[in-house]
Amino acid sequence: AQSVTQPDIHITVSEGASLELRCNYSYGATPYLFWYVQSPGQGLQLLLKYFSGDTLVQGIKGFEAEFKRSQSSFNLRKPSVHWSDAAEYFCAVGAQGGYNKLIFGAGTRLAVHP
Amino acid sequence: DGGITQSPKYLFRKEGQNVTLSCEQNLNHDAMYWYRQDPGQGLRLIYYSQIVNDFQKGDIAEGYSVSREKKESFPLTVTSAQKNPTAFYLCASSISPAASRRSYNSPLHFGNGTRLTVT
Repeated sequence: AQSVTQPDIHITVSEGASLELRCNYSYGATPYLFWYVQSPGQGLQLLLKYFSGDTLVQGIKGFEAEFKRSQSSFNLRKPSVHWSDAAEYFCAVGAQGGYNKLIFGAGTRLAVHP
Repeated sequence: DGGITQSPKYLFRKEGQNVTLSCEQNLNHDAMYWYRQDPGQGLRLIYYSQIVNDFQKGDIAEGYSVSREKKESFPLTVTSAQKNPTAFYLCASSISPAASRRSYNSPLHFGNGTRLTVT
């Protein structure tokens, strides 16, 4: 069965520091991978997606993610975090059978210290 | 502006009452979805619909019902059979995978959610 693991429940970084949020997936074929961000009390916004091709994908708000098949990982990175990046981040994988049945990780809540 | 509208933002009900959450989209998307979000559990799929007058159960459909009479609307009813209905409910839409091979696993567009509290 497909699954997504986000090992870090909470992460705190200082403003201006670099950030890496981890995501590991379990999937039997080439996965479709997504990162979404959620501000408190809001819906989810797509940051970036990987379908195929270049394993380093660029997203909105200065985020990027790298697909590593050998490690079954799709970690999200940002070189310099801004206070406005404080939010919850969800990794998701496209489930077998299509129909956009995404499997979401439990999320990582990011806090940013000034 | 195109988007997904969920209403109301907050909803309070007494135990034993059915309640319907509204979801409307003007993105011309064929597919619509309902997710439930609980702290520390991410999002879990309740129901999804690929086309008008058709819908399928997701992973946690028990105690919920939906209808899809119009392309723009996908209301969710939380029935009294749902054991633990208090949660944050998110509606989403997307291009249907049936529309194009390139649309397979196309990104979801989310509404801002409805927080349901049942006491």
